[in-house]
Amino acid sequence: DAGITQSPRHKVTETGTPVTLRCHQTENHRYMYWYRQDPGHGLRLIHYSYGVKDTDKGEVSDGYSVSRSKTEDFLLTLESATSSQTSVYFCAISDGTASYGYTFGSGTRLTVV
Amino acid sequence: GQNIDQPTEMTATEGAIVQINCTYQTSGFNGLFWYQQHAGEAPTFLSYNVLDGLEEKGRFSSFLSRSKGYSYLLLKELQMKDSASYLCAVRDGGGGADGLTFGKGTHLIIQP
Repeated sequence: DAGITQSPRHKVTETGTPVTLRCHQTENHRYMYWYRQDPGHGLRLIHYSYGVKDTDKGEVSDGYSVSRSKTEDFLLTLESATSSQTSVYFCAISDGTASYGYTFGSGTRLTVV
Repeated sequence: GQNIDQPTEMTATEGAIVQINCTYQTSGFNGLFWYQQHAGEAPTFLSYNVLDGLEEKGRFSSFLSRSKGYSYLLLKELQMKDSASYLCAVRDGGGGADGLTFGKGTHLIIQP
């Protein structure tokens, strides 16, 4: 039931390089989110989208940008990766109804060396 | 600001009952969610409360008191597979665009 997939699942990159993570959904949900999860911090919102080409910043958006050119795809770009961006990144989708929480992707484990 | 507090770690015995508490202070309130997350996996939805009271779903129940900014997740007849992290999250906005704010999670250890 892969309604939401993230790629890649794992990535190791060097400091200073750009990195793009992809989130793809087949549920036709309007809302998409990028979170990062770090020990001691829990899940923190990076950016979210409320429609094609409609995005906004979350709590920890510095150093990240996003794009959504199609309903099904939400891209997260680290413009110049730093070691502090080593984390597990989760994408989530929502249909926006009150009782619907999120469905999360399986996550991308990113290591910046 | 947003603040969601839950215990960092709890230990319980297989077959027993455990209650995981969550307190929150947020600028608004439009629902509280509980998620389960096994190590190395994605969070999965457990429950949703928006009105005061208890919501029961099988072995899991969730309670909400909006006036106290308090919720708990009750797990009954604990099984070893219930060893996981449990995340409390609040939706403080009125629309679907607003992201959920998550607590740091409670790591639950089930002992035989």
